[in-house]
Amino acid sequence: DAGVIQSPRHEVTEMGQEVTLRCKPISGHNSLFWYRQTMMRGLELLIYFNNNVPIDDSGMPEDRFSAKMPNASFSTLKIQPSEPRDSAVYFCASSETGYEQYFGPGTRLTVT
Amino acid sequence: QQQVKQSPQSLIVQKGGISIINCAYENTAFDYFPWYQQFPGKGPALLIAIRPDVSEKKEGRFTISFNKSAKQFSLHIMDSQPGDSATYFCAASIRDTGFQKLVFGTGTRLLVSP
Repeated sequence: DAGVIQSPRHEVTEMGQEVTLRCKPISGHNSLFWYRQTMMRGLELLIYFNNNVPIDDSGMPEDRFSAKMPNASFSTLKIQPSEPRDSAVYFCASSETGYEQYFGPGTRLTVT
Repeated sequence: QQQVKQSPQSLIVQKGGISIINCAYENTAFDYFPWYQQFPGKGPALLIAIRPDVSEKKEGRFTISFNKSAKQFSLHIMDSQPGDSATYFCAASIRDTGFQKLVFGTGTRLLVSP
């Protein structure tokens, strides 16, 4: 059974460019979470969805960040415009119950 | 207070030894306590979890000890192996805006020396 799928795995972009990260949750899971991981701040919850509806986006650092979940099998996290301090590993996780969360392999974003 | 404090930050253990990682929390509304294991370049993977009505849970070489009155829980890795070298995160789940979300500790980097 496929786990959480994220793309791209690596993204290098220049400051000011738009970046879109993609996530496909595990089939049947109705909760989806976006996290950011850095050495300084650890794992931070950015936003989470339940049944495709955004529930809490209080972790989104700035208005430059936005996330959508148009259907149960796809979500995007967009950064526009990107800045060097956005460099991090971004994880998507999904859950059926809300308790056990299953993480994807992550997208390593580098903004130069 | 939605924080989970984790220690130590890093740990070196000899092969065959016991690795112990500790976490503490304040909010009694947390109702589920998982541990995640993360290898370099990978996402965190659920390792073992416990609910607060249980004092201990064991799965193979991994054991969670839970002390509800002290608001502490710990991960014990028995007979530690070099393949256990990874970063370990404790977490706690809380119901927020009607749905469960996880609060993560800061992580412990474990190195098991051969």
